[in-house]
Amino acid sequence: SAVISQKPSRDICQRGTSLTIQCQVDSQVTMMFWYRQQPGQSLTLIATANQGSEATYESGFVIDKFPISRPNLTFSTLTVSNMSPEDSSIYLCSGTSGNEQYFGPGTRLTVT
Amino acid sequence: GQQLNQSPQSMFIQEGEDVSMNCTSSSIFNTWLWYKQDPGEGPVLLIALYKAGELTSNGRLTAQFGITRKDSFLNISASIPSDVGIYFCAGQALSDYKLSFGAGTTVTVRA
Repeated sequence: SAVISQKPSRDICQRGTSLTIQCQVDSQVTMMFWYRQQPGQSLTLIATANQGSEATYESGFVIDKFPISRPNLTFSTLTVSNMSPEDSSIYLCSGTSGNEQYFGPGTRLTVT
Repeated sequence: GQQLNQSPQSMFIQEGEDVSMNCTSSSIFNTWLWYKQDPGEGPVLLIALYKAGELTSNGRLTAQFGITRKDSFLNISASIPSDVGIYFCAGQALSDYKLSFGAGTTVTVRA
């Protein structure tokens, strides 16, 4: 299994600013992903974080809005850029170990 | 990814009762995963299923990978108050490890 931590755990941000979320895994994982979970909803995949190269984004998500880095096999960042209240959500990172996928505790973002 | 059809959406049960929920998909998956999410936490992996027809248990939890590879169910036996939470199914295509999630089943246990 993999233990995943995220920083910050929560934040309240002003409209128009950006926030970078960090994700750290305690062991090397093959794949890392970023998800968004809006209040009372299920998880929606934002992108696959590729080590050393550009992330692969799902439909409806773009690099300018959600730039992602993954410099090594245990660390990734997601930036939520030029935030608006619609970006208020929980952002979760995950990593795969074998065919199993483990999640971090999430970052609860509120944009005012 | 697609969203899976998960039912029921919510359930209120008496402590000690068994709980069943299921998930169906229009697509074939190579892996089915079941997660539980408590308020303010990330989803925690409960059970992973890898083969069609596979039946796997984890304590009071039992899950099965449907023969058609398009469905899965999760049973919780003899529910206790700490079973309260939201349960999500997720299907994984082997090629890219991406997960497609169900909408979740909210379980509330009455003591």
